Amino acid sequence: DTGVTQSPTHLIKTRGQQVTLRCSPISGHKSVSWYQQVLGQGPQFIFQYYEKEERGRGNFPDRFSARQFPNYSSELNVNALLLGDSALYLCASSWQGGDTGELFFGEGSRLTVL
Amino acid sequence: AQSVTQPDIHITVSEGASLELRCNYSYGATPYLFWYVQSPGQGLQLLLKYFSGDTLVQGIKGFEAEFKRSQSSFNLRKPSVHWSDAAEYFCAVGARTGRRALTFGSGTRLQVQP
Repeated sequence: DTGVTQSPTHLIKTRGQQVTLRCSPISGHKSVSWYQQVLGQGPQFIFQYYEKEERGRGNFPDRFSARQFPNYSSELNVNALLLGDSALYLCASSWQGGDTGELFFGEGSRLTVL
Repeated sequence: AQSVTQPDIHITVSEGASLELRCNYSYGATPYLFWYVQSPGQGLQLLLKYFSGDTLVQGIKGFEAEFKRSQSSFNLRKPSVHWSDAAEYFCAVGARTGRRALTFGSGTRLQVQP
């Protein structure tokens, strides 16, 4: 089975630019979550989507937005990039959105903001 | 608000020695508890999880963890460490109700000496 796939794996942007990260969940999984992992820290929750609806949002500014498509894939958008947005962005999927079931993580998209 | 503390930032053990990684959490009730492992440049892999029942849970790769309610702890153990266990280990908690998101600790980096 194919796991959670994320693209791009690495990207470099400059301050003020916008970025879109993509995630395809495991087949059959209807819930997708996004986490930000700054170097040397644990992942921090950004968003969860289930059946194309936002189920949860972490403590991130409105520059961060996301959406889930009918095929359950997801995009994370970050506008007006800041140096502090440099991080590994992790996508996780699970088959059941209503419970804290096991999360399956992708390998992440590493964003560097210069 | 829930929180997770991993007091050891970095641990070094010899191959074949036993291992215990500490995790303390703060939560108003019994949370869901997880241990994840992250190899360099990789995503997160679930080692084990506690939802309910037996407080000693077995995971993959020979790891186990014990939930101690009185101490708000969920320490990870392995009787004999292998060189391939060198990685970053994250403890996480999830709420049983409300927002479906995991709160991670800051991680413990494990180094294994030959």
